[in-house]
Amino acid sequence: NAGVTQTPKFRILKIGQSMTLQCTQDMNHNYMYWYRQDPGMGLKLIYYSVGAGITDKGEVPNGYNVSRSTTEDFPLRLELAAPSQTSVYFCASQIGGFYGYTFGSGTRLTVV
Amino acid sequence: DAKTTQPTSMDCAEGRAANLPCNHSTISGNEYVYWYRQIHSQGPQYIIHGLKNNETNEMASLIITEDRKSSTLILPHATLRDTAVYYCIVDNNNDMRFGAGTRLTVKP
Repeated sequence: NAGVTQTPKFRILKIGQSMTLQCTQDMNHNYMYWYRQDPGMGLKLIYYSVGAGITDKGEVPNGYNVSRSTTEDFPLRLELAAPSQTSVYFCASQIGGFYGYTFGSGTRLTVV
Repeated sequence: DAKTTQPTSMDCAEGRAANLPCNHSTISGNEYVYWYRQIHSQGPQYIIHGLKNNETNEMASLIITEDRKSSTLILPHATLRDTAVYYCIVDNNNDMRFGAGTRLTVKP
């Protein structure tokens, strides 16, 4: 199993550009999550999904959109990138219930 | 609102037990206690979780007080590779919220 795979690992965007951060998992997990982590801070939940076709907002959803058309994939879309979105983005998945999350290795995004 | 309180930082000597405390005085009856760690800039790594009883796995032990208002994560023989930020989280509905955690530094 590859686990949770995030692409790209690094990206520099100009203000106003858009991009999609990809996340895929091969563990057949129902639950998937997007977090962002600013320097020196803990993780903040952006969006999550409890299954294909179902998504919900977390703590900091503004400026982002998600979709969940398959169990495996949970892309995060940034529209009109702003410097405040400079961060490291982590995707995670969980089979459900009260089990722990499996995290990807992150995407480091810089908006200039 | 922060559900847990952890010390900002701790040191531990290599080979000794590392005991990381966490206060969660407002925990509700169906909330679990989870521990994760994050080594440098990697993705967080799940360590252990529990509801009421003490738990042990190959990585660590989790001791939860009888009133469930606090817990301790124990790394029995800390190594330099255990240097990381450790997060204590209480959750019951699959949307875990991470605080600032405890930065554990294991020293030779």
